[in-house]
Amino acid sequence: DAGVIQSPRHEVTEMGQEVTLRCKPISGHDYLFWYRQTMMRGLELLIYFNNNVPIDDSGMPEDRFSAKMPNASFSTLKIQPSEPRDSAVYFCASGDRLNTEAFFGQGTRLTVV
Amino acid sequence: RKEVEQDPGPFNVPEGATVAFNCTYSNSASQSFFWYRQDCRKEPKLLMSVYSSGNEDGRFTAQLNRASQYISLLIRDSKLSDSATYLCVVKNTGGFKTIFGAGTRLFVKA
Repeated sequence: DAGVIQSPRHEVTEMGQEVTLRCKPISGHDYLFWYRQTMMRGLELLIYFNNNVPIDDSGMPEDRFSAKMPNASFSTLKIQPSEPRDSAVYFCASGDRLNTEAFFGQGTRLTVV
Repeated sequence: RKEVEQDPGPFNVPEGATVAFNCTYSNSASQSFFWYRQDCRKEPKLLMSVYSSGNEDGRFTAQLNRASQYISLLIRDSKLSDSATYLCVVKNTGGFKTIFGAGTRLFVKA
């Protein structure tokens, strides 16, 4: 298995633009997590899905952020409009109920200028 | 108050030293506990789970104190390769919600 795959690896965008981050979880995993990591705040859980259904989105910072999981093999995190304070590394992770470990993708480093 | 709190460090120790990290959590109903390791500019990876009875994996020992709501990680005989950020992780009841602490940075020097 290739592991959790995120794209793009790096994204530089101008303030006000829409940004879409993509994630392909490990096949067979029924949980998917989106995290944001910054030096100031560490690794924050934004939202997680179980069987493609959003279970807890209390970590989503505001309405500019939205996440979808249209099927078991794909999820997106969208920021519209983007702001400089959204600059961070965004990680996607997947797991299953039988396995305690959450497996992370390599992250997307987002810079909003 | 954050759900999971850690001393950010950094801890600077010489090779061969023993170093310990603590982490506190606020939700008394938390069920599962872990330590993850994150290398610079890399993704976090599971280091070890933490069991109520305490557990050891080579030079690493993890312990859980439910009464005081903290977990600990002890690293013996530190190696240069142990330099990383160590993340305390708590999984809460009622679901699969996995919360990370901000991490403790460790630098092991020759």
